[in-house]
Amino acid sequence: DTGVSQDPRHKITKRGQNVTFRCDPISEHNRLYWYRQTLGQGPEFLTYFQNEAQLEKSRLLSDRFSAERPKGSFSTLEIQRTEQGDSAMYLCASSLPVGGGYNSPLHFGNGTRLTVT
Amino acid sequence: QQQVKQSPQSLIVQKGGISIINCAYENTAFDYFPWYQQFPGKGPALLIAIRPDVSEKKEGRFTISFNKSAKQFSLHIMDSQPGDSATYFCAAKRVNTGFQKLVFGTGTRLLVSP
Repeated sequence: DTGVSQDPRHKITKRGQNVTFRCDPISEHNRLYWYRQTLGQGPEFLTYFQNEAQLEKSRLLSDRFSAERPKGSFSTLEIQRTEQGDSAMYLCASSLPVGGGYNSPLHFGNGTRLTVT
Repeated sequence: QQQVKQSPQSLIVQKGGISIINCAYENTAFDYFPWYQQFPGKGPALLIAIRPDVSEKKEGRFTISFNKSAKQFSLHIMDSQPGDSATYFCAAKRVNTGFQKLVFGTGTRLLVSP
């Protein structure tokens, strides 16, 4: 399977704990995104990487959230001091550069479902 | 502030029927309108997308109709099948945004009855 891989699939943590999620994009994709999806809602943009550079961060990404993509391949999303409101599905997506085309489609992983108790 | 409004919230269609999902946007500075399909436990997958200089795009049983003046676009699923039962999201991308910072609608849960 050469799709976007996310780990873990599920994470249950207690309020106040730190959690870290990993995303492995499709190998030739240099663009990587994190989105968050709460129950019954559409995904919301969190952040965007082009190679190892984090080029855009949503205001949804508070100081407790940090994302990295150190070598331009896999990415991690860390949430410090988790709150119950952080409970959601965290989706990673990757895409090719726009290049000669207009838009390169997003390829989403199956997400990490976080439950904060 | 919801910039892309999607309706209906849920939809039941008989097998072989036409499913229609509508979206309206408030910001005219959008230039790319994709539709995503999501099955339970899976991430969204791109179904079909349209640019505002085109009024209709068809791929197989799926058609997007786009009305720029009304700021509305819709997804039509012809000959709906039980395997189409999923949640569908419309989305929009801001113009001059060189990456996929998408604004999604709230989703439509489609059930196609056998």
